[in-house]
Amino acid sequence: DVVLTQSPLSLPVTLGQPASISCRSSHSLVYSDGDTYLSWFQQRPGESPRRLINKVSNRESGVPDRFSGSGSGTDFTLKISRVEAEDVGVYYCMQGTHWPPYTFGQGTKLEI
Amino acid sequence: QVQLVESGGGVVQPGRSLRLSCAASGFTFSSYGMHWVRQAPGKGLEWVALILNDGSNKWYADSVKGRFTISRDNSKNTLYLQMNSLRAEDTAVYYCAKRDLTTEFDYWGQGTLVTVSS
Repeated sequence: DVVLTQSPLSLPVTLGQPASISCRSSHSLVYSDGDTYLSWFQQRPGESPRRLINKVSNRESGVPDRFSGSGSGTDFTLKISRVEAEDVGVYYCMQGTHWPPYTFGQGTKLEI
Repeated sequence: QVQLVESGGGVVQPGRSLRLSCAASGFTFSSYGMHWVRQAPGKGLEWVALILNDGSNKWYADSVKGRFTISRDNSKNTLYLQMNSLRAEDTAVYYCAKRDLTTEFDYWGQGTLVTVSS
């Protein structure tokens, strides 16, 4: 199974400052069709997960442009350019290249 | 808009069974695969099962294989998860999530809590 390792697991941030979360995969996530099926999810306290980014860098409709995804192969990053209070929660990366199973990272808790 | 509403959770004794439902609306249910994902209290996300749009193929996590069955009724726009031989470690919030054409988990339900305890 593909293992996704996120760092840091806890990320204290200051409002208005940038934040960055790393996700490293045990296997390359490039699929045979050339796409890379790495997504990022946000889970605010008490809420269901919400997909922010798909295929490494495609932002979902309605997601603020302060969120961006980048990376390739086995190394990926979610960046928040200027953290706002509503960004507090846990962030997960997920791979959909080598399935089953679909696997998630351990989660990174972002707190102000 | 897409809506996914889970139901059927509750407290159940170890070894017993439970069936979860996920009512879908706001999209053509019969055109999309569907997942179940769970989250144990205070823990991360764990994929449980996937069923294709027409029910022709199903996949399971090793942790539930042989005990859980995913199914769907496209005439009722409803996804199911039959959970048998439940264990304490199955205690979690269970989410249904929609599969997009080429990507996964684009929409999630609110979740339903299953507690396995004597």
